[in-house]
Amino acid sequence: AQSVTQLGSHVSVSEGALVLLRCNYSSSVPPYLFWYVQYPNQGLQLLLKYTSAATLVKGINGFEAEFKKSETSFHLTKPSAHMSDAAEYFCAVTLNTGFQKLVFGTGTRLLVSP
Amino acid sequence: DAGVTQSPTHLIKTRGQQVTLRCSPKSGHDTVSWYQQALGQGPQFIFQYYEEEERQRGNFPDRFSGHQFPNYSSELNVNALLLGDSALYLCASSLALGEALLEEQYFGPGTRLTVT
Repeated sequence: AQSVTQLGSHVSVSEGALVLLRCNYSSSVPPYLFWYVQYPNQGLQLLLKYTSAATLVKGINGFEAEFKKSETSFHLTKPSAHMSDAAEYFCAVTLNTGFQKLVFGTGTRLLVSP
Repeated sequence: DAGVTQSPTHLIKTRGQQVTLRCSPKSGHDTVSWYQQALGQGPQFIFQYYEEEERQRGNFPDRFSGHQFPNYSSELNVNALLLGDSALYLCASSLALGEALLEEQYFGPGTRLTVT
């Protein structure tokens, strides 16, 4: 069975600072990994995905994530935070075969202060 | 190109009642998945429909049932509502080819269900 763990339910940064949101996964087979963002009272928007191609994945809004098999991690980063980045971020894992259900982490709320 | 749409946006029901939520997938998609997101939690997989059949099911009781129509739209039905069913219900669509998904899942805005 697959699972993801997101360390830190809340992360606070200043505008312009580095954003680092942590995600560790557990999977018995090669996984597909995703980061989604959720703004208040909205659905989920895909930020980026890892599907066994390049280990460094670039997404929308300046976010990127690196798949590290040795560390079973898929941390999300952004060099410079913007006020509009304040939202809830979810890491998710699925198998790379079959009809995949997404297994989500519990989420990390990113707070950005001026 | 319309994305995933869900209706209604909000819903208030009383314990014991039944509710039906609706989802229209993104144009070109044929697979619909439903997720329940309780307040402060990540989404939990309920079930997935493909070719009008339930293909996968998460750890949810039989009170949760669904249907997919020939036009790929889908309904989620919940019977005998409990207070704990209060949540945001998210629909996601994707495109499948046989056993594999060709595209990632695209999510709708959700239906906020409140059970009193």
